[in-house]
Amino acid sequence: NAGVMQNPRHLVRRRGQEARLRCSPMKGHSHVYWYRQLPEEGLKFMVYLQKENIIDESGMPKERFSAEFPKEGPSILRIQQVVRGDSAAYFCASSPTTGMTEAFFGQGTRLTVV
Amino acid sequence: KQEVTQIPAALSVPEGENLVLNCSFTDSAIYNLQWFRQDPGKGLTSLLLIQSSQREQTSGRLNASLDKSSGRSTLYIAASQPGDSATYLCAVKAPEGNNRLAFGKGNQVVVIP
Repeated sequence: NAGVMQNPRHLVRRRGQEARLRCSPMKGHSHVYWYRQLPEEGLKFMVYLQKENIIDESGMPKERFSAEFPKEGPSILRIQQVVRGDSAAYFCASSPTTGMTEAFFGQGTRLTVV
Repeated sequence: KQEVTQIPAALSVPEGENLVLNCSFTDSAIYNLQWFRQDPGKGLTSLLLIQSSQREQTSGRLNASLDKSSGRSTLYIAASQPGDSATYLCAVKAPEGNNRLAFGKGNQVVVIP
């Protein structure tokens, strides 16, 4: 059973371009969380999704950021018109259910905006 | 809102010494607490998961305790090795907040050979 798979591992974008980050949860996991880690900061929650539903997006910036978890395929975190401040490591976590279950993390995507 | 604090932010110890890393959280209504290890530029590796009903968990040289009522957890690493050098992150999961994890900023550990 492969772990949580994120790609790409590294992504470089020029200011104003779009960034698409993908996350395939562990097999059998239907709950996906995205977190962002800024330099010298802790991981901050962004969005929580289940298949075809956004459950909680309270941690996501109101503009330029969106997320989806379609019925088929990976979860996508999309950042439009990237700015230098978007440079960070973005991590995806999955779990089979909510509550007391353990969260499993991917290796992250490191976004650099130049 | 759950706040998680890790002290000390950074520490260096000589090889062989025991490591003691502290984590505190403000809201004791939690499902569980997880300790992670993060190497520079890498992802998060789960080390130990303690459910709210448990007092401690052990795995090899690692032992984590949980005192939910006082909002504290301690990670002990016995007989530290240079390979233990990493950042250790503490995270709590609570019913409030849709089961998201609230993270501390981490304990950055260097074990000196």
